[in-house]
Amino acid sequence: AQSVTQLDSQVPVFEEAPVELRCNYSSSVSVYLFWYVQYPNQGLQLLLKYLSGSTLVKGINGFEAEFNKSQTSFHLRKPSVHISDTAEYFCAVSYRYSGSARQLTFGSGTQLTVLP
Amino acid sequence: DTAVSQTPKYLVTQMGNDKSIKCEQNLGHDTMYWYKQDSKKFLKIMFSYNNKELIINETVPNRFSPKSPDKAHLNLHINSLELGDSAVYFCASSQPPGRPEQFFGPGTRLTVL
Repeated sequence: AQSVTQLDSQVPVFEEAPVELRCNYSSSVSVYLFWYVQYPNQGLQLLLKYLSGSTLVKGINGFEAEFNKSQTSFHLRKPSVHISDTAEYFCAVSYRYSGSARQLTFGSGTQLTVLP
Repeated sequence: DTAVSQTPKYLVTQMGNDKSIKCEQNLGHDTMYWYKQDSKKFLKIMFSYNNKELIINETVPNRFSPKSPDKAHLNLHINSLELGDSAVYFCASSQPPGRPEQFFGPGTRLTVL
């Protein structure tokens, strides 16, 4: 089974500073990669996805992530954060479960707190 | 025009009771899922249905029974609720293989007293 590791459980950062949230996964065989954001008391919202092609993917709200197959990483970055980016961020890997079914495995989450 | 909706949003009940959570998606997706998010925010897949057929059934107590009356609905029924069932339950849907990303509902916070 796949595993996803988010190395930092909490990341505090000052407003307008850059941020990187780290994500590593266990295998790159036929995987798709995602980042989701969860605001307090809400569901998960898709930030960006990597299915194939360019290893640098851009998402909503100014976020981007880079797929690195050799390092099995998919780190999330934003050059300048806002207070409104304060939320929990989840990295997820979709891998083939059986037949055409795919299963999504989540990391443990990173709480990003943007300080004024 | 909510894409994935769940009812109720909050559910407070006593141990031993039976309860249901409903999920509906209007995205035309064939595949739906139930996830459990525990108090440490860890998310784990419970079930997945494709076109009303169960395709993923993780290690979940058989007190949990999903039911899919049609491909737009996936309900979760829980018998004999226990304290450890307290969590937030999320429904999601997707349209693999072309669109594997999952769209999530707002969640149902279940509290068992």
